[in-house]
Amino acid sequence: SQQGEEDPQALSIQEGENATMNCSYKTSINNLQWYRQNSGRGLVHLILIRSNEREKHSGRLRVTLDTSKKSSSLLITASRAADTASYFCATAGFMNTGFQKLVFGTGTRLLVSP
Amino acid sequence: EAQVTQNPRYLITVTGKKLTVTCSQNMNHEYMSWYRQDPGLGLRQIYYSMNVEVTDKGDVPEGYKVSRKEKRNFPLILESPSPNQTSLYFCASSLWDVYSGNTIYFGEGSWLTVV
Repeated sequence: SQQGEEDPQALSIQEGENATMNCSYKTSINNLQWYRQNSGRGLVHLILIRSNEREKHSGRLRVTLDTSKKSSSLLITASRAADTASYFCATAGFMNTGFQKLVFGTGTRLLVSP
Repeated sequence: EAQVTQNPRYLITVTGKKLTVTCSQNMNHEYMSWYRQDPGLGLRQIYYSMNVEVTDKGDVPEGYKVSRKEKRNFPLILESPSPNQTSLYFCASSLWDVYSGNTIYFGEGSWLTVV
């Protein structure tokens, strides 16, 4: 399957620092999405970048996509303790049935200390 | 308010006792799916549904059943639960297909323990 793999698995930083998470995937995609999950809660959509885009911004979030390397990065600037969560990338592509599928990576656990 | 509601949120059950986890969305979404989340394995799709009466298997469908009789509801059925189905389960929905980039909305999760 085209599972995304996030790197690092865990990241610990201080408030005010920037946090960068990377995602690699295996097959061609139409779009890549980033989600956030607070401990034991549901996932919340953060940002989507399409395969013909290279960079996208949303508030303190910056996402890049390099389709030649099959990789994406999520940058959170000026991090806050409230950013502590797990972050997942998810890639959208077709299954052999013709239906679409969103495949999630294993996530990066971010800890932001005050 | 846009919501995906799943119940129960927490359940401890015994091996072999049939159970159903309900899922309901209020956004008139066509696409619904179930995921399970396990440590080190991320989220894996169990089943999905493109519309009423249209369902198909995801990556890990063994031991599960689903139905989609109404657009808003997509229950997950464990006919004979086993301990390896102990997991955190999420229901999700979106307007149409994820390929087009529609946002997926997730429920809050159901913690299921099978002893």
